[in-house]
Amino acid sequence: AQSVTQPDIHITVSEGASLELRCNYSYGATPYLFWYVQSPGQGLQLLLKYFSGDTLVQGIKGFEAEFKRSQSSFNLRKPSVHWSDAAEYFCAVGAGSYNTDKLIFGTGTRLQVFP
Amino acid sequence: GAVVSQHPSRVICKSGTSVKIECRSLDFQATTMFWYRQFPKQSLMLMATSNEGSKATYEQGVEKDKFLINHASLTLSTLTVTSAHPEDSSFYICSARGSGVFGPGTRLTVL
Repeated sequence: AQSVTQPDIHITVSEGASLELRCNYSYGATPYLFWYVQSPGQGLQLLLKYFSGDTLVQGIKGFEAEFKRSQSSFNLRKPSVHWSDAAEYFCAVGAGSYNTDKLIFGTGTRLQVFP
Repeated sequence: GAVVSQHPSRVICKSGTSVKIECRSLDFQATTMFWYRQFPKQSLMLMATSNEGSKATYEQGVEKDKFLINHASLTLSTLTVTSAHPEDSSFYICSARGSGVFGPGTRLTVL
């Protein structure tokens, strides 16, 4: 069955430090992968997505993610974190016949940023 | 880009009442929309798939008679929580197929 694992429940970094949020997926076919960010009490904002092609994907707000099929991973990175990046981050895989069908979400990683 | 709206953003109701939540695609047509539920401090779980002009399909464990879905037009899907109880209190969020975009969500609190 399809699944997404985000091993880190909570990460704390200092402002200006680099960031990497881990995501591993289990999916039989070519996965459609997404990263979303959610601020408290808010909806989801799409940061980036991977469907095919270049395995290094650029997103909004300076985020990027790299798809590594051999490791079944899709880690999110940012070279320099800003205090406004503090939020909950969700990795998801599209598990249906269409690329954004039936997203299966990981449990999320809460990012805390210290000044 | 694609925009999905939801109304209301927040609703508080008494136990036993029914609550309707709307999900609209603002600048595109969405023949299929998805409804998710997020309990506090948890991830999102797909509840059902809403199909314009046909019956919704529900995920395992979701009561179709409790969560009524109507997709009457190409831009509007509604979720009605019937006879709501406190355990139905949650964050309900929709998305439109093909967009990867989610609505802002509806916070339901049942007293």
